[in-house]
Order: sequence, then C-alpha cells, then structure tokens
Amino acid sequence: ETGVTQTPRHLVMGMTNKKSLKCEQHLGHNAMYWYKQSAKKPLELMFVYSLEERVENNSVPSRFSPECPNSSHLFLHLHTLQPEDSALYLCASSPSPGQGDVNYGYTFGSGTRLTVV
Amino acid sequence: SQQGEEDPQALSIQEGENATMNCSYKTSINNLQWYRQNSGRGLVHLILIRSNEREKHSGRLRVTLDTSKKSSSLLITASRAADTASYFCATDARGSQGNLIFGKGTKLSVKP
Repeated sequence: ETGVTQTPRHLVMGMTNKKSLKCEQHLGHNAMYWYKQSAKKPLELMFVYSLEERVENNSVPSRFSPECPNSSHLFLHLHTLQPEDSALYLCASSPSPGQGDVNYGYTFGSGTRLTVV
Repeated sequence: SQQGEEDPQALSIQEGENATMNCSYKTSINNLQWYRQNSGRGLVHLILIRSNEREKHSGRLRVTLDTSKKSSSLLITASRAADTASYFCATDARGSQGNLIFGKGTKLSVKP
C-alpha cells in the first residue's frame, strides 16, 4: 500500500448515472491531485487542491466535479459521462509548497478503472 | 500541455541487459522525476533529480539531467523480468507550483 487509497477499484456506469470516486491519504500531505490516464495518451492533470483549496482546473468538462472536504480526502463526482470518459483515474498527493521541501515526488493511489457504457 | 516526451515508446530486452530510456522537455524546470507503472496500476515514484544536479543513483537506477539540452535519461542496470513496466518522466516546471506534467511513457519488456 502506498498510503493513498482509491475506491472503488473498478466502476461501470451508464451515461445517465451519477457516481463518485473517493481518494484518501494519511501521509500528512496538503496537496491532492486528480489525473486521467487514457490509452496511448499522457497522463492528464485534471484538478489540484492545495490546503483544501482548488488551485487548478485544467479545462475539465463540468460533468466532472471535484470536492475536497479536508486535507485527507478527495472526491470526484461524475454525472452524465460520455463513453470517451472511460479511463483510469488516478489520485495523488504530495507535500504542498508550504510544507518543507517542495521537491518530493507524488504518491499515487492504484486508480479507479472507469468504464462508461 | 505535454512537457515530457519519452523515447523510445517501447523497449524489449533480455534479462541481465541494461535499459536506457530518454526524456526531453520544453521549459525550464525545478526538477524532473521518473515513475514506474505496472499494468493498470498506480504510478510509483522512482527518483527525483533537481535542476542543479547532473546525475543521481538509486540502487540499479541511474538518472542524468542535461538542462542545456532539456533532456534526461534513466538507466536500469542488470535488468530483471520484474522490471517489466511502463516508465514515465514528469517535470515540475518553474512557476507551476509543483504540478507535474507527464510524458506518454516508455513500455519496457524484460524477457527472462
């Protein structure tokens, strides 16, 4: 275990469903991230939270809605998704710039494999 | 926007051989990191090299960084079948507040 836990591991949902992905870390990190990994594409940074505030939103469609209730938990709420949204969704955490040495790597969860049918 | 670009896209070697993967990037960086991903799993951080460093070692891994050429290489010595995975470079660009941008990765296959 890496210290970053993502649930569920697999999710199949219809285009009209609403579901949520969950990420939890107990590493004392203040920054959390959502990445999307599609086949044959680089990892795409979706959202960044630092000290529970969203600091970046990379032109992600509004059908993806993040939530960070505290520094240990991050959610990605999904609604009316499209088949092209099928991908591996990865959560990561890292010390934020204000927390000691900024030059740490990220710690990733194992991901949620999402299939939209 | 994509920052790191790995080369080659795929690499197949025999156990015991060395594997070299390269990464090129476009903008000034604070640091460059290498990650490994086993099929369908999360990424695991391998090594970080700062912009003022030229070489770094960790076990069988050796990373070099040439900021004048905006490139880095990852060398895995005496490879093992268990090294089979995808390897990604990621750059922490200056002014990015620590947000990493990843390349498409190199898929390494080590045959026993």
